[in-house]
Amino acid sequence: KAGVTQTPRYLIKTRGQQVTLSCSPISGHRSVSWYQQTPGQGLQFLFEYFSETQRNKGNFPGRFSGRQFSNSRSEMNVSTLELGDSALYLCASSPTSGGAGWFFGPGTRLTVL
Amino acid sequence: GENVEQHPSTLSVQEGDSAVIKCTYSDSASNYFPWYKQELGKGPQLIIDIRSNVGEKKDQRIAVTLNKTAKHFSLHITETQPEDSAVYFCAATPNDYKLSFGAGTTVTVRA
Repeated sequence: KAGVTQTPRYLIKTRGQQVTLSCSPISGHRSVSWYQQTPGQGLQFLFEYFSETQRNKGNFPGRFSGRQFSNSRSEMNVSTLELGDSALYLCASSPTSGGAGWFFGPGTRLTVL
Repeated sequence: GENVEQHPSTLSVQEGDSAVIKCTYSDSASNYFPWYKQELGKGPQLIIDIRSNVGEKKDQRIAVTLNKTAKHFSLHITETQPEDSAVYFCAATPNDYKLSFGAGTTVTVRA
């Protein structure tokens, strides 16, 4: 079974721009969550989706948003990019709501110049 | 919210020796404790997990122990091999949907 896929793998943007990252979960998985990984803050929870509904959100500003489609694929969007948004953005999927474990993709490396 | 502390931050072991990583958590309601291995350029890989109704779980050379009273859990890797070199993260959650991660342990296995 294919793992979680994320596109693009690398992205370079400038301050003020916006960006959209995509995630395809493992086939059959209905839950998707997003995390930001930085050297200073580590792994931090962004949000979690189940059946196209955002059920939980972490402590990030409103510039960070996301959505989930009917096929469970998910996108996250960051508007008005700041230098501090440079990070590895990780998507994870789970068959249910994490009860069977969360499986991560390779991430999208975002660099904001 | 949940706060997870992980020690040590770096660990160097001789090939064949054991490695132990320890984590403590703050939320007594946490009931799920996964461990992840992250290699350079890759996402975290789930290697083992444990629920609060179990004290110990083993999978080949990897084992995890949980002490709910003391609110700490540990990862044990026996007979370490060079391919065990990576960053290891512990995590805890009371609700399954949001993982709170430790800061990570960089493990280096010396040949």
